[in-house]
Amino acid sequence: DAGVTQSPTHLIKTRGQQVTLRCSPKSGHDTVSWYQQALGQGPQFIFQYYEEEERQRGNFPDRFSGHQFPNYSSELNVNALLLGDSALYLCASSYPPGQGLPTYEQYFGPGTRLTVT
Amino acid sequence: AQKVTQAQTEISVVEKEDVTLDCVYETRDTTYYLFWYKQPPSGELVFLIRRNSFDEQNEISGRYSWNFQKSTSSFNFTITASQVVDSAVYFCALSEATGANNLFFGTGTRLTVIP
Repeated sequence: DAGVTQSPTHLIKTRGQQVTLRCSPKSGHDTVSWYQQALGQGPQFIFQYYEEEERQRGNFPDRFSGHQFPNYSSELNVNALLLGDSALYLCASSYPPGQGLPTYEQYFGPGTRLTVT
Repeated sequence: AQKVTQAQTEISVVEKEDVTLDCVYETRDTTYYLFWYKQPPSGELVFLIRRNSFDEQNEISGRYSWNFQKSTSSFNFTITASQVVDSAVYFCALSEATGANNLFFGTGTRLTVIP
């Protein structure tokens, strides 16, 4: 049973560039959440996707956008990169709501470490 | 608004000592979940435990135990007879019981177990 997978593992970008990170959820999960973890900090919620729509969003600017595909995988896009976007980006998957399943159980992937120079 | 505070930034203990990691939370919700995650150097967050806000029973799992006290809004985590493999960053987190169940994390406590 494959867990949550993310790609790439590491990425180096230059200020002003755009980046796309990818996530495949755990088998049986169709809800994907993205978190940003700056160095020395706890993860912060960016947004969550369910049924190919953004369901909830944290306090992040519009430069952060996402997409969910019919196979439940998801992408996180960040435009006009800033030095402060350097962080570990974590993807978490969970069960869909409304089916009596434990939606509060989130399984995390290994993350993508983004460095902006 | 939800908030999680982990006042201990770093803790070092000698192997076989017991250690307690503190977590204090704030929320206006009456129903919520509390979590502890472990983050080894590889970066992946490993789920350790979840508690419902209406279940204040303490829990023990092997060398791990958790003390949930609603009266003081605390959810502390104790490792008994620590081992080198316990070295990691530990995060306490809170989520609402409805909606997206997104997690609000504390800033983490880095535990170093010295052999």
